[in-house]
Amino acid sequence: DTAVSQTPKYLVTQMGNDKSIKCEQNLGHDTMYWYKQDSKKFLKIMFSYNNKELIINETVPNRFSPKSPDKAHLNLHINSLELGDSAVYFCASSQAGGNNEKLFFGSGTQLSVL
Amino acid sequence: GESVGLHLPTLSVQEGDNSIINCAYSNSASDYFIWYKQESGKGPQFIIDIRSNMDKRQGQRVTVLLNKTVKHLSLQIAATQPGDSAVYFCAESPTGYSTLTFGKGTMLLVSP
Repeated sequence: DTAVSQTPKYLVTQMGNDKSIKCEQNLGHDTMYWYKQDSKKFLKIMFSYNNKELIINETVPNRFSPKSPDKAHLNLHINSLELGDSAVYFCASSQAGGNNEKLFFGSGTQLSVL
Repeated sequence: GESVGLHLPTLSVQEGDNSIINCAYSNSASDYFIWYKQESGKGPQFIIDIRSNMDKRQGQRVTVLLNKTVKHLSLQIAATQPGDSAVYFCAESPTGYSTLTFGKGTMLLVSP
């Protein structure tokens, strides 16, 4: 069983479109995250949610809207996609969201905006 | 040897050698550190962690060393295998802050 699963694995779309990426964790964790990995492999936090509440929003454009229907799910919706949004997006979870916790990552969604 | 390429620093080793991957962190308030391994097409996978009250921690074939004086972290992999080929990231977490900040990453290439 996959602990943190995200879909789709690949997403190819045109500029200006709206798309969503879904994430689910079956670890019983309270906190979930979205990270963006650019072409140079740099990983940067975008959002974190603890028990469905937004905790961190790291200066991400408001075209990006995370939604957490319950603590096991954190979806990412992106409006008006731009070329610069092309990247790999990783969902992750951690047990309680405190510091000194390791994150468990999904396998990533490679987004290509044409 | 170690080199800095266009994108990622790369460490090339022979199978059976010991590998050392280095990381400099910037936040002196960080008190928790993790090493992750990322294989091609996969998400980062936890390897080993260390808290700031320690300077060394050992796992299976891996050792993490922490030098808080110079804000330096290293990952040592014993008897490196081709399956160890991946990008390795260090990450830090400051006190009271619940997310990890990742370093740039080092690509480890192991040749048979």
